[in-house]
Amino acid sequence: NAGVTQTPKFQVLKTGQSMTLQCAQDMNHEYMSWYRQDPGMGLRLIHYSVGAGITDQGEVPNGYNVSRSTTEDFPLRLLSAAPSQTSVYFCASSYSSGLNEKLFFGSGTQLSVL
Amino acid sequence: AQSVTQLDSHVSVSEGTPVLLRCNYSSSYSPSLFWYVQHPNKGLQLLLKYTSAATLVKGINGFEAEFKKSETSFHLTKPSAHMSDAAEYFCVVSDAGNMLTFGGGTRLMVKP
Repeated sequence: NAGVTQTPKFQVLKTGQSMTLQCAQDMNHEYMSWYRQDPGMGLRLIHYSVGAGITDQGEVPNGYNVSRSTTEDFPLRLLSAAPSQTSVYFCASSYSSGLNEKLFFGSGTQLSVL
Repeated sequence: AQSVTQLDSHVSVSEGTPVLLRCNYSSSYSPSLFWYVQHPNKGLQLLLKYTSAATLVKGINGFEAEFKKSETSFHLTKPSAHMSDAAEYFCVVSDAGNMLTFGGGTRLMVKP
C-alpha cells in the first residue's frame, strides 16, 4: 500500500498565483484533513472531510478551498497565493473521524510564495 | 477550548541517557492524547495514544507516557536514548468534534 500520497513535494509560487496540492489515499479512509506546519506552532488544521461530498473548515481556512468528490482524493486549492502561505503542508487520513483514531500522514509539500 | 503546551522547544541528551519530553494540556472534556514523531523531511508517525484506559501508555521504540489528570500532563519518556530517536515530537489533544490540537513541538537532539 502506498498510504497517503502528496504531490508535489516542493513548489515555488509568485504572489497571486493559484495552485492545487494533491492528496490521495488508498486505505479507504473516510476522514481526510489538511494541516500546515510552521516553526514553533505545531500543525494547524486547514480543512477536513468526514466523507465524500462533506467538507468543513478547521482552524485556519482562509485562502484555501477543498472538495471531496471521491473517498480517495482530497485536493487543497490556494486561490491567490500570499507570502503568509509559505509553509509545509501535510495531508492526513484516518479510518473514521473518531477521537481516538490514528492519523496517517503524507510526506508533505514544501511551499514557498515569493 | 482545548490547548496543548510543550514546555521545551529543544531537548538535548546523550546517547544512553533518559529522555523526558514534557506536555501539559487543557481540555473541557475527558481528552484523548497522542504523541507523534516527525523525522527530518518525513510525515508524522503515531508513537502512542491515551484513550481513558490505563494511565501509563506504552508506544513504539521503547517510548511511554503517563496521563496525570491532576497535573493535566502527558509527559513522554524513554529510559535510554538512541541516536535514531533524534526527531521532532508533537503532543496532541482531542476532546470533541473532528479537530486535533497540536503542541508547538519539541526537537530532540541526541549526542553520541
